Amino acid sequence: DQQVKQNSPSLSVQEGRISILNCDYTNSMFDYFLWYKKYPAEGPTFLISISSIKDKNEDGRFTVFLNKSAKHLSLHIVPSQPGDSAVYFCAARSNTPLVFGKGTRLSVIA
Amino acid sequence: DTAVSQTPKYLVTQMGNDKSIKCEQNLGHDTMYWYKQDSKKFLKIMFSYNNKELIINETVPNRFSPKSPDKAHLNLHINSLELGDSAVYFCASSLTSGTGGKLFFGSGTQLSVL
Repeated sequence: DQQVKQNSPSLSVQEGRISILNCDYTNSMFDYFLWYKKYPAEGPTFLISISSIKDKNEDGRFTVFLNKSAKHLSLHIVPSQPGDSAVYFCAARSNTPLVFGKGTRLSVIA
Repeated sequence: DTAVSQTPKYLVTQMGNDKSIKCEQNLGHDTMYWYKQDSKKFLKIMFSYNNKELIINETVPNRFSPKSPDKAHLNLHINSLELGDSAVYFCASSLTSGTGGKLFFGSGTQLSVL
């Protein structure tokens, strides 16, 4: 039972353009959402998060949007850079350990 | 200086063997975790310890036994290894068990059971 779904396994974007990574969830009790970034042979690293009481959180080139009614969140990266090429995991929690999606592999092409 | 370090990075072994993976964090965090990333790429919680006490055990077979000698260390022992145990195992830590889920991960241990 996948409570956190990332339906796009991969995404390719031109350098300088916007990258949009999507995530859907099924558990309406989730109250905190996070994005992690993972390079090969490394562990995931925290990127940005958002509480369920907000609909947007911005940190530099990274913005996370939350649509609670649709149970959907997205990560926007603008402008995309080659160093952003990695696997991005969406994660959520509700008084529980983090539940992760399967990840989306982002390739930023120079 | 690595915040969460786990060893070994690679582990190749035969079915039926017993092996251990070690994890240490130097962040002063109270809570540590083991996650498993299987062939389908899902990252799933296995165990969580808060200040040396087991707080989460997610229906993992009892061949897997975590041990936390102190709050900076959480080791994972696996007995009678099976083919299906092949995966990447990640150790992680967080400030407390309720800190919004911000985890710090180690670089992973790739376990291959032949």
